[in-house]
Amino acid sequence: ETGVTQTPRHLVMGMTNKKSLKCEQHLGHNAMYWYKQSAKKPLELMFVYNFKEQTENNSVPSRFSPECPNSSHLFLHLHTLQPEDSALYLCASSQDWQGPNEKLFFGSGTQLSVL
Amino acid sequence: EDQVTQSPEALRLQEGESSSLNCSYTVSGLRGLFWYRQDPGKGPEFLFTLYSAGEEKEKERLKATLTKKESFLHITAPKPEDSATYLCAVQAGTDKLIFGTGTRLQVFP
Repeated sequence: ETGVTQTPRHLVMGMTNKKSLKCEQHLGHNAMYWYKQSAKKPLELMFVYNFKEQTENNSVPSRFSPECPNSSHLFLHLHTLQPEDSALYLCASSQDWQGPNEKLFFGSGTQLSVL
Repeated sequence: EDQVTQSPEALRLQEGESSSLNCSYTVSGLRGLFWYRQDPGKGPEFLFTLYSAGEEKEKERLKATLTKKESFLHITAPKPEDSATYLCAVQAGTDKLIFGTGTRLQVFP
């Protein structure tokens, strides 16, 4: 496989559930990102990992917990979410962490619905 | 406050009808402006990066231009397969990437 792969594509969960989103990149990149995309809102950066180390946490509630075991894999653990957390969650990677020449490669996203 | 505004929110074109999408920005210390295309059910796909006023880049029917306050994405003789949401993002001096809300383009045969 090539590019950035996200699973699952769709997820429906109750507010008391615990679930995880998975992202894998096959591009040899060093930086990985989680973004949230809600209707009619700009993409919101949630977390950044550079060489497996978290370099950015954009004031994200603790019910979202990222994990980056290596430069190719990124997880987003979800627990006790709220209905307003329903959105498209996008994983992205770049060669390095958002330097001036960095372009992002996105996965297809996980469409999350919280009931 | 750093801000990126895209207009129009939605645009409907007839096939072959050329038009432009606008991305205006107010940021401190522009390091780069990016255009992405997003198809339904997919993540954004990189199109262009522009770094300084006066710069232009082209790809097939698309041409991106940059001034000190805004960028335009010109679409010449669009085809239905150009239908997508086009996102603009600006990298400011803080290195943060700020996205606009996008323009949803529909091209009808």
